Amino acid sequence: EADIYQTPRYLVIGTGKKITLECSQTMGHDKMYWYQQDPGMELHLIHYSYGVNSTEKGDLSSESTVSRIRTEHFPLTLESARPSHTSQYLCASSGDRGYNSPLHFGNGTRLTVT
Amino acid sequence: EDQVTQSPEALRLQEGESSSLNCSYTVSGLRGLFWYRQDPGKGPEFLFTLYSAGEEKEKERLKATLTKKESFLHITAPKPEDSATYLCASPNTGFQKLVFGTGTRLLVSP
Repeated sequence: EADIYQTPRYLVIGTGKKITLECSQTMGHDKMYWYQQDPGMELHLIHYSYGVNSTEKGDLSSESTVSRIRTEHFPLTLESARPSHTSQYLCASSGDRGYNSPLHFGNGTRLTVT
Repeated sequence: EDQVTQSPEALRLQEGESSSLNCSYTVSGLRGLFWYRQDPGKGPEFLFTLYSAGEEKEKERLKATLTKKESFLHITAPKPEDSATYLCASPNTGFQKLVFGTGTRLLVSP
């Protein structure tokens, strides 16, 4: 069973709406990540955090923002959704053993922007 | 450029028919090679980490091996429940992120 939870699982919204994808973990992990995954494509890192009040952009140009006010919570916000944002968004966390620590993933939010 | 390449893209096996999936990487100074399994509609699930050439790890019908340039995921006598997409990943040269391959979609028919 996953100890990292994402809500909602599915979301269909219209262009221009503001949305927040929720991610919470119960493992006490300091590192958290947001990935974007399209069918048949590799996962792309869009944001990451090394701990409370730490946020960094990943390698995929993104119009989203993140915050890390509590260790367990790492929400991702799109201020104005566009059809190009249609994708699967995966949240992950890892322990403190450097970058060799495996990632624990949530089950994702599948976003469709019409 | 750091790259992780997986082959084949898709593989169809009969139950009991053993095979191997390949993951080649061009990351300088390998700091670990990860294998994940992803079922439809779910996030990737961690399987193995390999750190040095010659290392092997096993879990049920899966065995992962590592050389200096590639890793193999061997599947022995697979069952239909082994059907999934298998992803490999490695930290990039700057050690800031994981670089993922596009995965191999495995389908095992009864």
